[in-house]
Amino acid sequence: GQNIDQPTEMTATEGAIVQINCTYQTSGFNGLFWYQQHAAEAPTFLSYNVLDGLEEKGRFSSFLSRSKGYSYLLLKELQMKDSASYLCASLDSNYQLIWGAGTKLIIKP
Amino acid sequence: DGGITQSPKYLFRKEGQNVTLSCEQNLNHDAMYWYRQDPGQGLRLIYYSQIVNDFQKGDIAEGYSVSREKKESFPLTVTSAQKNPTAFYLCASSILSGGSGNNEQFFGPGTRLTVL
Repeated sequence: GQNIDQPTEMTATEGAIVQINCTYQTSGFNGLFWYQQHAAEAPTFLSYNVLDGLEEKGRFSSFLSRSKGYSYLLLKELQMKDSASYLCASLDSNYQLIWGAGTKLIIKP
Repeated sequence: DGGITQSPKYLFRKEGQNVTLSCEQNLNHDAMYWYRQDPGQGLRLIYYSQIVNDFQKGDIAEGYSVSREKKESFPLTVTSAQKNPTAFYLCASSILSGGSGNNEQFFGPGTRLTVL
């Protein structure tokens, strides 16, 4: 079956760094997405990885290891506005997104 | 501004009534999707469409129906057959429905449906 695993909730301190992990098992693989979703709002795109390695985009970076079925999202210099859910999604062989349940990130002052 | 609109943002209906949620995009995207999101769960695909006048069932299509008469529009009807319709409904669209490359999906603001 297809499965995306990520932690349910994480807590971090303003100004710190946090890493949100995601493991995936999907029928085929055409890339890994990370989205940010604030409460009761639409998800917004953060990153897309299809090759192994680290993609850096400002305070956010995303890493992919296809051999391990593993990705992480790294958030640096955390700000209070980063409090949100972070959704990991794998693009399967049919080019459909398989979504994880999301990781709720709580930022404390 | 290009984007996806969903209306209304909040919707209340009595049990046993059908209700239609609208989704319109002016991004010239080929593919459109409907998801349902329940608290503490990920997005679950209801229906998707890759081309006008064609659509496919997702993982939880029972109790829902869609139409794709125009490229810009993909309305979702929640029928009385849907046993637990109260949820947050998200519409999305993307340029690529297949092939290589970034299949980023752009989301509308969502409609929160409450069935009383």
